[in-house]
Amino acid sequence: GAVVSQHPSRVICKSGTSVKIECRSLDFQATTMFWYRQFPKQSLMLMATSNEGSKATYEQGVEKDKFLINHASLTLSTLTVTSAHPEDSSFYICSARVSSGVSDTQYFGPGTRLTVL
Amino acid sequence: GQQVMQIPQYQHVQEGEDFTTYCNSSTTLSNIQWYKQRPGGHPVFLIQLVKSGEVKKQKRLTFQFGEAKKNSSLHITATQTTDVGTYFCAGSNTNAGKSTFGDGTTLTVKP
Repeated sequence: GAVVSQHPSRVICKSGTSVKIECRSLDFQATTMFWYRQFPKQSLMLMATSNEGSKATYEQGVEKDKFLINHASLTLSTLTVTSAHPEDSSFYICSARVSSGVSDTQYFGPGTRLTVL
Repeated sequence: GQQVMQIPQYQHVQEGEDFTTYCNSSTTLSNIQWYKQRPGGHPVFLIQLVKSGEVKKQKRLTFQFGEAKKNSSLHITATQTTDVGTYFCAGSNTNAGKSTFGDGTTLTVKP
């Protein structure tokens, strides 16, 4: 199946710093990638849809100036958590969509665990 | 907006017992996907259902999509300890649209 990688897998930073997370589709091109956030023992909450070559579409309640998304190529989307605070600590997961006709599958990256001190 | 509800939230079974999780959408879906997330891991795609009334099997797992395309179920026959994890359904109401995840059902299996 399609492989999606994320880097870094784990990051600890001080409050006020910015953190960039990369999401790459390794063996396919993805015009659409999704960014999710998952709190412990909770479901995945969609943050934004990342479209190659255009601005990301953010879900209601997600601050676009706080969570900057750049989808500069067909294999790379980045999420930057700006001026991180402890409440931003979470598990961030990206996925890449593979669509063909009526089939629509998301392949998930391994996730990035962010801890803000 | 679209809501996807999943029950039960937790299920604890003895190894060898069957297990079922149910997924219900507030709107008619175009397709539904099922994922499994092991403790400490990331969601792994299991299957996608597209057709009304569709039933698909993967070894001991049986997936069903309701006739009205608003509900789905995942049934595991004779659970094993390797089945532990959280099972999520995710539904989309357009062919190319975003999916909304259910809250997941966490399965624990006692050997």
